[in-house]
Amino acid sequence: EPEVTQTPSHQVTQMGQEVILRCVPISNHLYFYWYRQILGQKVEFLVSFYNNEISEKSEIFDDQFSVERPDGSNFTLKIRSTKLEDSAMYFCASSLRTTGAKNIQYFGAGTRLSVL
Amino acid sequence: DAKTTQPPSMDCAEGRAANLPCNHSTISGNEYVYWYRQIHSQGPQYIIHGLKNNETNEMASLIITEDRKSSTLILPHATLRDTAVYYCIVRVTNSGNTPLVFGKGTRLSVIA
Repeated sequence: EPEVTQTPSHQVTQMGQEVILRCVPISNHLYFYWYRQILGQKVEFLVSFYNNEISEKSEIFDDQFSVERPDGSNFTLKIRSTKLEDSAMYFCASSLRTTGAKNIQYFGAGTRLSVL
Repeated sequence: DAKTTQPPSMDCAEGRAANLPCNHSTISGNEYVYWYRQIHSQGPQYIIHGLKNNETNEMASLIITEDRKSSTLILPHATLRDTAVYYCIVRVTNSGNTPLVFGKGTRLSVIA
């Protein structure tokens, strides 16, 4: 069964450093998303991406964040200068571009980001 | 904010049916009800969704009341591996990239 793949599974970084989280969405999907979950809290939407541009973003997704689809398979989330509060699980998701009931988001296993 | 209300936790005996309720009294006519679950800190896993008719798949059944203000997810024969946090989400799906808004969900504990 096709799945969303995220690497690395755990990323440790120093405060102020740049990190790039990588995702390989399901191959025929066209919509891509990033969510995050701080330990013990709710899963929160960050950004959605379609046709090589951001479709929607939340208040969390400020200028320190950026997304890119550098080739036909990868979808990346970059945090330019990490802060302690960026420590969280980051989930990538993808969905097929359809309207109506078949628009289902499938999630990867996540990357745990630890900022020291 | 999430438009749904769920009990914070529930227990279920292994092999019995788990019935997880969800209230969504402000649901709009074009919003679907989706259920996801999250095992430990893994990525949310899609379970089932519906608009107004009851739905069944290999994982679960979804019962939506006639007024659509509430629904129940049924796991017919719960196993220990079904222990997870279950999220009920209402979402418009006439656009391809509508984000999912997660609440706190219901923590289901399946007990041997």
